Amino acid sequence: AQKITQTQPGMFVQEKEAVTLDCTYDTSDQSYGLFWYKQPSSGEMIFLIYQGSYDEQNATEGRYSLNFQKARKSANLVISASQLGDSAMYFCAMREGRGTGNQFYFGTGTSLTVIP
Amino acid sequence: EAGVAQSPRYKIIEKRQSVAFWCNPISGHATLYWYQQILGQGPKLLIQFQNNGVVDDSQLPKDRFSAERLKGVDSTLKIQPAKLEDSAVYLCASSWGAGAGETQYFGPGTRLLVL
Repeated sequence: AQKITQTQPGMFVQEKEAVTLDCTYDTSDQSYGLFWYKQPSSGEMIFLIYQGSYDEQNATEGRYSLNFQKARKSANLVISASQLGDSAMYFCAMREGRGTGNQFYFGTGTSLTVIP
Repeated sequence: EAGVAQSPRYKIIEKRQSVAFWCNPISGHATLYWYQQILGQGPKLLIQFQNNGVVDDSQLPKDRFSAERLKGVDSTLKIQPAKLEDSAVYLCASSWGAGAGETQYFGPGTRLLVL
């Protein structure tokens, strides 16, 4: 089974509107971390936001928030007030909490295009 | 604080040639990762180091890929001989540790084209 599933290959959003990028995950661990990264066309992976499995509140970082629904195993990224510079690939990732060999699992990504 | 540094940024080689990539992690980060990202896909972990020891290299094609992190800081990834399917972006990342909440920070990547 896929550890991270991103079902939206591509998304479009009007500038200044909000957009939600979907992410579901699969783990039997109690301790895990969920991450979102942005990858512009330049290629660098930019860390956006983190949610720990024990965090009761949804994480927020500026215009980014993570809608964490533990029972549904979903960790959707919400971008408010979209800007043209938000056009990029977005990757959801998870790290499980067992020992030191905790691998990062990435989804296949969602391409976001912001329309002026 | 300086980020993860990688070089070269771009490399074009012919198949069967060898190539090496260099990575300098964020100062103090004990864990270093090399990923391969093929166009249109998410990054795939090739190897993970904890200080200068290998923690996970289960997806590293060991017949042609090798990596080292001799002094627990810089790392090199080598491909010898290269194949056409090795064309990809090679990303280096680092983190303080490898716990569930440890964020990985990525370098700019090396784009490799094998002709």
